Formats: sequence, C-alpha cells, structure tokens
Amino acid sequence: GQNIDQPTEMTATEGAIVQINCTYQTSGFNGLFWYQQHAGEAPTFLSYNVLDGLEEKGRFSSFLSRSKGYSYLLLKELQMKDSASDLCAVETGANNLFFGTGTRLTVIP
Amino acid sequence: GAGVSQSPSNKVTEKGKDVELRCDPISGHTALYWYRQSLGQGLEFLIYFQGNSAPDKSGLPSDRFSAERTGGSVSTLTIQRTQQEDSAVYLCASSRSQETQYFGPGTRLLVL
Repeated sequence: GQNIDQPTEMTATEGAIVQINCTYQTSGFNGLFWYQQHAGEAPTFLSYNVLDGLEEKGRFSSFLSRSKGYSYLLLKELQMKDSASDLCAVETGANNLFFGTGTRLTVIP
Repeated sequence: GAGVSQSPSNKVTEKGKDVELRCDPISGHTALYWYRQSLGQGLEFLIYFQGNSAPDKSGLPSDRFSAERTGGSVSTLTIQRTQQEDSAVYLCASSRSQETQYFGPGTRLLVL
C-alpha cells in the first residue's frame, strides 16, 4: 500500500519559521505536491518537487529527498493567515495521487 | 475506525452515459469535499458540504455535474452525459469542521 506520514498538528509563533515534514513509502514516485487549505476552502497549490533539492518561492520553500522518501515544507516570517492545513501528496503515476492527512498549523501572536 | 471510503474504485463508461460516484465519510465528520485530479494537472476543487448544505458550488465544471449529501453522511457526485474530458480521479475527503482532512482512495473514471 501507499503510506504518507505528516504530523497532525503544529503550532508556531507569528514571525517565526516552521518546518513541516512529510515521509512517504509508495510503490512509485513521479513527484510530490504541497497544498495549503483554509477551512471550508479549496486547497491552494504551493509547490511541486520532482528532483532532489530545495525549491524556494517567496516565504515558502519545499525540499525533497527521493532516496530518503522525505520532504519538508518551510514557511518563513509566519503570518496569522498561515493558520491552515498543509497537505503533502505523492504522485505515483499518471492519475495517481495519494494524500497525507495534512498538518493543521496554528499561528499564534 | 474506518477511513473515508469511495465506490466504485474504478469506473469505465461510454461517452454520453451518466455515472454516480459515492463517498462514505468518517463517522461524525460534518465537512465533506469533492476534488478531481486530471491527467497532468493539479488537484481541482469541485464542491464542499457542511452538513447537508453546499455553500460553495463554484468549482463544479459544468451543469452536467451535481452533488448531494443526505443525513449529513454519504455523498454522491453525479455526472450526466459524460464526456472524455471527465476522465480523472475523483477524490473525496471529510473532516470535523475546520480540522484535518482525511482523503479517500478515489474513484478512477475513464470515459471512452
């Protein structure tokens, strides 16, 4: 089966940096997505990693190590609006996408 | 307890036929979401239910798509007069209101 693990909840302070980890064991691997979702809203695409390394996009960065089956999402200069669920999803093949349960991030003043 | 389940897991249909996809959320979860994952594209939000009502239907691609939820539990997504571009994986997720979302395994729809 496919297994995607990420912490259920995290809390961090406004202005700080937070790293959300995702580990996976899947039968195939094409790439890894990170999405952010606020309650009652559609997920917002954050990043898509195919190759090993760090991809930076403004306040958000995503890292991938395929050999370790590991990714993380790094959020810098946290804002209150970053309180949301961050979803890790692995694409194992064409039209096959498996999600973790998401990490509910709470940003406190 | 059981996670989110969806049925059928795979569906092959002919263009022009209607299909019905089912989602059984985790017991006690008030929020239910439908998404679509098309080949080569990211996740596409379709519709969201809070209880039996759907405050946001803006993601439904066309009037051929409809969804309902009864008893605050099971939801069905119906696609009428299917087209080839409807081929995708349809994902359902549920959560307690404003909490972690749990995804089902998806229904893989192929329209020939």
